Amino acid sequence: AQSVAQPEDQVNVAEGNPLTVKCTYSVSGNPYLFWYVQYPNRGLQFLLKYITGDNLVKGSYGFEAEFNKSQTSFHLKKPSALVSDSALYFCAVRDEGFQKLVFGTGTRLLVSP
Amino acid sequence: GAGVSQSPRYKVAKRGQDVALRCDPISGHVSLFWYQQALGQGPEFLTYFQNEAQLDKSGLPSDRFFAERPEGSVSTLKIQRTQQEDSAVYLCASSSTLAEEYNEQFFGPGTRLTVL
Repeated sequence: AQSVAQPEDQVNVAEGNPLTVKCTYSVSGNPYLFWYVQYPNRGLQFLLKYITGDNLVKGSYGFEAEFNKSQTSFHLKKPSALVSDSALYFCAVRDEGFQKLVFGTGTRLLVSP
Repeated sequence: GAGVSQSPRYKVAKRGQDVALRCDPISGHVSLFWYQQALGQGPEFLTYFQNEAQLDKSGLPSDRFFAERPEGSVSTLKIQRTQQEDSAVYLCASSSTLAEEYNEQFFGPGTRLTVL
C-alpha cells in the first residue's frame, strides 16, 4: 500500500535562510511524487512533481525537491525563504498503476521576518 | 483561465439531512477526483472518475456517500443522512489526460461541510 510520512508538524525558519520540509514515502511500484501548498481557506496548489529523470526537480516560486530512491525521500527545499512562503505543505505519492494521490499529514511552514 | 470550481463553499447541515456538493472541473479534463480533508489532516481519497465512468470508489467511507458524473464533466458528491463525523472539507480535483499517471491534479477551493 502507498503511504507518505511528513515527520515534522511545523518547521520554523527565518526569512532569507534556506528551508527544508521532509517527506518519505512507501510504494510497491515506481513512485510519482508531488508537493502541494495550501493557504488558509484555499485549495491545494501544485508546486512540483517527480516522475523520472533528474533527481533534483525545480518547481514554482523557487521551490525544488530532491528525490532519493535509496532513502525513499522527497524533501522540499528553497534556498532563501520568504515570509509569504508561510503555509501548509503536503507531500503526496501516486503508485504506479493507481490514479489516486496519497497525502501526508502536512507540515506547517512558518517563516519569520 | 478558469480553474476547478466547487459549490457551495460552505454548507451547514443538521444531522440526518442529505447534502449535495458540486464540482466543475477544468474544461476538457478527463479525470476527476474527490477527496475528504478532516481538520488538521491531509486529504484522503474518496473516488475517481474517468469521463463518466466511476473507476474507483474504494475511499467512500460508507454507502451513505454517492458520487456521479453523468455527462463526463460536472460531478456531484451526495451524502445521505449526514453524521457529525462527515464534517470536513471536501476537495475536488481534475487532471487532463486519460490514464496519464504523471499529470498533476488541479484542486478546487473545497466545500466546508459542518454537520450539527
